[in-house]
Amino acid sequence: GAVVSQHPSRVICKSGTSVKIECRSLDFQATTMFWYRQFPKQSLMLMATSNEGSKATYEQGVEKDKFLINHASLTLSTLTVTSAHPEDSSFYICSARDPAGYQETQYFGPGTRLLVL
Amino acid sequence: GQQLNQSPQSMFIQEGEDVSMNCTSSSIFNTWLWYKQEPGEGPVLLIALYKAGELTSNGRLTAQFGITRKDSFLNISASIPSDVGIYFCAGLYQGAQKLVFGQGTRLTINP
Repeated sequence: GAVVSQHPSRVICKSGTSVKIECRSLDFQATTMFWYRQFPKQSLMLMATSNEGSKATYEQGVEKDKFLINHASLTLSTLTVTSAHPEDSSFYICSARDPAGYQETQYFGPGTRLLVL
Repeated sequence: GQQLNQSPQSMFIQEGEDVSMNCTSSSIFNTWLWYKQEPGEGPVLLIALYKAGELTSNGRLTAQFGITRKDSFLNISASIPSDVGIYFCAGLYQGAQKLVFGQGTRLTINP
């Protein structure tokens, strides 16, 4: 299957700092990528849809000024957690949409574990 | 947000046993996807289904797209220790981009 990478895999930061997470589709072009957040023992919660060359679409309750998303190319989307606080600590996962005609699939990255102290 | 009804929530089985899990919805889906997630990792795509009634295998895994387009099941035959993890179903409505997820089935295997 297609490969999606995320960097970094884990990050520890101080409260008040900003953290950038990168999501790359390595072997296909992804006009649309998605950012999820996952709490322990729960399913994935969609935060936002990232469209190449346009503004991201955020889910209800997700602060767009807090979670900045940039999708500058067909293979890269970034999520920046601004002024991070301990409650932002979580597992963040991206996925990339591979349209492939009518047989659409989404491939997930390996996730980024964020710990805010 | 909306979720699919996935069951069972957890399974504790002996190595070598077969496993069956399913997802149901009140809405019709165009695509069903099954993923496996291991601790500290992102979900990995196992099987993708695109047509009602479609039955697809991937090694010891078999999944079917229900005829009504409102359900799907995943079977694992002759389970082995590396099958341990959380299995998620996900559906896509026609023309939609956002996945709708099930709550996950946590599989534990006793050797």
